[in-house]
Parts: sequence; C-alpha cells; structure tokens
Amino acid sequence: EVQLLESGGGLVQPGGSLRLSCAASGFTVSTYVMSWVRQAPGKGLEWVSVIIVSGGSTYYADSVKGRFTISRDNSKNTLYLHMSSLRAEDTAVYYCAKLSNYAFDSWGQGTLVSVSS
Amino acid sequence: QSALTQPPSASGSPGQSVTISCTGTSSDVGGYNYVSWYQQHPGKAPKLMIYEVSKRPSGVPDRFSGSKSGNTASLTVSGLQAEDEADYYCSSYAANNNRLFGGGTKLTVL
Repeated sequence: EVQLLESGGGLVQPGGSLRLSCAASGFTVSTYVMSWVRQAPGKGLEWVSVIIVSGGSTYYADSVKGRFTISRDNSKNTLYLHMSSLRAEDTAVYYCAKLSNYAFDSWGQGTLVSVSS
Repeated sequence: QSALTQPPSASGSPGQSVTISCTGTSSDVGGYNYVSWYQQHPGKAPKLMIYEVSKRPSGVPDRFSGSKSGNTASLTVSGLQAEDEADYYCSSYAANNNRLFGGGTKLTVL
C-alpha cells in the first residue's frame, strides 16, 4: 500500500527557513515523478514543485522559484522541500504527492507551515 | 502560470447530474490530454477521481466522468449522492513541466 507521511511543518518567522520531509512507503520515490502541493487556509490547491524521474530535473511555480528547493534521498525513500526566505503568503498545508499518468494519484495527510512574527 | 478557471459553486439534488467546468488555454488544458480531477472533503487530503481527461482510477464510481472540448474540461457527477458533497479541483499539465490547478468548485447536494 502506498503511503506518504509529511513532517517538518511549524511556526517560522518571516525570512526564515524550514525543511519539509515526506517519507514514502509501498513504492520507490526514485522511480516516480514526485511533487509538492500547498493549500492556504480556506483557499484552493496550488502546485509548488515537481521532481522528474530521469536526471532528477526540478521545476517550480513562479511564486516559490529561487526560494524553495525540491530534492529526494533515495536511500531514505524520502522527498524534501527546502524553503527559505519565507513569507506570510507561504502559510499553508503542504502536501507531498506521487504522480502517475500525469496525475497526483497518492497524497500525504499534509503538514502545516505558518509564517508569522 | 495562471490558475485554471472553475465556477466557485455547483449544486444538485440527490439522483440528479451536475457538471463542473474547468477552463484553461491552449498551453495547458487545450494542449495536452493530461487533465485530472480531485475530490476534497473538509480537513482531508485530495483524492484523484479522473486522470487523462476521462479515465477513472480503480475504486472510483462510474458516476464520475470527465471530458474535454478545446480549452475546457468538464467533470460530470451523475446520480448525485450525499457523500459527493465536497470541493472539486481540476488540474492540468502545462508547458515546461508546470502543473496548474483550478480555483476549486464547492459541490452542494441539496
């Protein structure tokens, strides 16, 4: 059974940094396209970043480009999102998701990031 | 990277059908057959309902169907049931490996 478990969320001051983790089980993260999606309180879903299988190329939404970095540790079967220069508008529940057939077919339960002074 | 356009709300009575639209551009919805739909109940993670415009994952009732015409994709829920009341989001692959979501539609079963 595919499972994704996010961790690392919390309260951080504007301008601060945070690293989110997504531990995967039931499949190997290195063999699937993986992504982060966020949802601000009371708002809709927003795609954040994706890491491709071959070559590990990464892509980002304009809103986080240059501030966020997606990566994976194949030995730990874990996906990461390194977030820096955090802003109030980055406050959201962050979900990691596995992609198949260009769709987000499995999701974690999410981890809340709050950016506030 | 503009969001896809969905109506903010839709509604129908039990047993009826409702269709939710998702409008993009020729660079996303219209350019690829990689539109997917997600159902989200309050406080829960999204769930994949439709992928590649019209395909259903295993376990999704055939009451849910998808289609696309030009730059607009649609999700139809037939035989509405109380448990279908949720938020629905469309998503599309876009150029340069970007992904887009719609703003979401709140479906109310009257």
